[in-house]
Amino acid sequence: AQSVTQPDIHITVSEGASLELRCNYSYGATPYLFWYVQSPGQGLQLLLKYFSGDTLVQGIKGFEAEFKRSQSSFNLRKPSVHWSDAAEYFCAVDSNFGNEKLTFGTGTRLTIIP
Amino acid sequence: KAGVTQTPRYLIKTRGQQVTLSCSPISGHRSVSWYQQTPGQGLQFLFEYFSETQRNKGNFPGRFSGRQFSNSRSEMNVSTLELGDSALYLCASTYTGDNTEAFFGQGTRLTVV
Repeated sequence: AQSVTQPDIHITVSEGASLELRCNYSYGATPYLFWYVQSPGQGLQLLLKYFSGDTLVQGIKGFEAEFKRSQSSFNLRKPSVHWSDAAEYFCAVDSNFGNEKLTFGTGTRLTIIP
Repeated sequence: KAGVTQTPRYLIKTRGQQVTLSCSPISGHRSVSWYQQTPGQGLQFLFEYFSETQRNKGNFPGRFSGRQFSNSRSEMNVSTLELGDSALYLCASTYTGDNTEAFFGQGTRLTVV
């Protein structure tokens, strides 16, 4: 079965600093990969997704992620964070076997300090 | 267009009771998935419905059930509530059902006391 690992439970960065959130997946084939963001008390908003093709994908709010098959990783990056980026971030995989259900990582809580 | 609507937003129930949660997907979306989110277990898939048929089910006990109506609206039901069922229940809708882009509602916060 597929799995997703987000090794960092909590990350704190200064406003204006760069950000990288790590995500590793375990899956036999090339999965569909996603990053979602969740603000307190809210649902999930899709930041970006990877299905195939260019391994560097651009998303909303200035985020990007790079798919590295050799490392089974799909890390999320942003060159300069804003205070409004404080939230919880989830990496997810879709098995692409027709299950059509998302398997989520445990999430990374991002705190921004002035 | 309107997003995914979940009702109610908050719910408090007593152990042993049952509860029904509702999800109205984005107009034109035919697939609805349900997820449970808890601090201990994170986000876990419950089930997915497409055109009124349950296509996928996660590893939850039979107390958790759902259904989908002809207008794609979905309900999930939890019977004989336990304290551990306290969670945020999220619903997601997709157009084709293949998770190319799942849109999530704001969730229903269920507290079991």
